[in-house]
Amino acid sequence: EVQLVESGGGLVQPGGSLRLSCTASGFIFSTYYISWVRQAPGKGLEWVANIKYDGSETDYVDSVKGRFTISRDSGKNSVSLQMDNLTVEDTAVYFCARHSNTWRGDFDYWGQGTLVTVSS
Amino acid sequence: DIQMTQSPSSLSASVGDKVTITCRASENIRTYLHWYQQKPGKAPNLLFYTTSTLQTGVPSRFSGSGSGTDFTLTIDSLQPEDFATYYCQQSYGDPRTFGQGTKLEVK
Repeated sequence: EVQLVESGGGLVQPGGSLRLSCTASGFIFSTYYISWVRQAPGKGLEWVANIKYDGSETDYVDSVKGRFTISRDSGKNSVSLQMDNLTVEDTAVYFCARHSNTWRGDFDYWGQGTLVTVSS
Repeated sequence: DIQMTQSPSSLSASVGDKVTITCRASENIRTYLHWYQQKPGKAPNLLFYTTSTLQTGVPSRFSGSGSGTDFTLTIDSLQPEDFATYYCQQSYGDPRTFGQGTKLEVK
């Protein structure tokens, strides 16, 4: 069974940092892109970042470029999102999601999400 | 960025009704359009990929159609478990973008 489990969310002050993790199981982790998608309270979905199956390529939404860093550890079957210089606009539930394949572009499995609250 | 616009933003319907949700892209995305269902407090769940292909396990009362800029999600004979929020998402251009969502509520 494919599973993605996020952790690391919490309350942080503006300007602070937080590191989220997504641990995968039930599939060959090293052959799939992984993304982070966030959802602000009561709002819609926003793609944040993704990382290629081998970690060689990453991409980010403009609003987090230079502040967030996505990485992966194939030995631990995990993807991390290092979030620095956080602002209140980053408050959201963060989901990790598996890309179905390299050409289709949909997200076929999602974690349950972890809540990040940026507040003073 | 490619903008995705869903209509309506909310919809009231009854069990047994047929409902249609529309998603419009700001430019041609061919058939790189996917639909998700999300229930409160849960992660989104993939319903369709590439416009009309049902994800495994999704009931056949759901159907999708369209191409280019205009797409629809149709639910025949609404069931109680279908009341949720639905999102479209394009993967033709980067960044991948979602519609704002359509909340399907009980009338």
